[in-house]
Amino acid sequence: QKEVEQNSGPLSVPEGAIASLNCTYSDRVSQSFFWYRQYSGKSPELIMSIYSNGDKEDGRFTAQLNKASQYVSLLIRDSQPSDSATYLCAVNRGSTLGRLYFGRGTQLTVWP
Amino acid sequence: GAVVSQHPSWVICKSGTSVKIECRSLDFQATTMFWYRQFPKQSLMLMATSNEGSKATYEQGVEKDKFLINHASLTLSTLTVTSAHPEDSSFYICSAPEGLSYGYTFGSGTRLTVV
Repeated sequence: QKEVEQNSGPLSVPEGAIASLNCTYSDRVSQSFFWYRQYSGKSPELIMSIYSNGDKEDGRFTAQLNKASQYVSLLIRDSQPSDSATYLCAVNRGSTLGRLYFGRGTQLTVWP
Repeated sequence: GAVVSQHPSWVICKSGTSVKIECRSLDFQATTMFWYRQFPKQSLMLMATSNEGSKATYEQGVEKDKFLINHASLTLSTLTVTSAHPEDSSFYICSAPEGLSYGYTFGSGTRLTVV
């Protein structure tokens, strides 16, 4: 079983819709969780970090964490064509920032 | 947020030559640097973890004699690809942890093409 798994996509949504990205992780002791956006040929950029169960909102983005189910998701409201990118879920196991375990990424396309 | 400056952004080299990639933390001290490689349409794969003043820790399957990592100061970590071959062509990215409030800072990446 892989450390971090994401719905492989690709995911295609119309402009203005909600895009839902999902991620599961295998190590129950994982402590911190990150969503990165990566445009083609570019380095990942942080969208959201979440450490506690529940929801965390930042603008159009909401991250949801359920440690009991070992599940983390990212919702993008009012999706824009500029949101078209690959979204990477990353998990850190420890209480300090050690190595990240990345999922394979979900490619999102938002069409006008 | 903090910045990790990575150079060069892209490099083309001949097979058999060596290439050095630098990552500098500009406004924080990076005691740890993670080095990743990413092939097209794939996720980031951790190659090694470098810690300032000590030997790097390499992931299984990564040749330490081929991918030399040096972390001589709190602001500079380097990756040298020695005797490069076409199969080493990839996107190399460095990343440093900045703290729990900020997560990880990534360099802008280096596109290496070996011809």
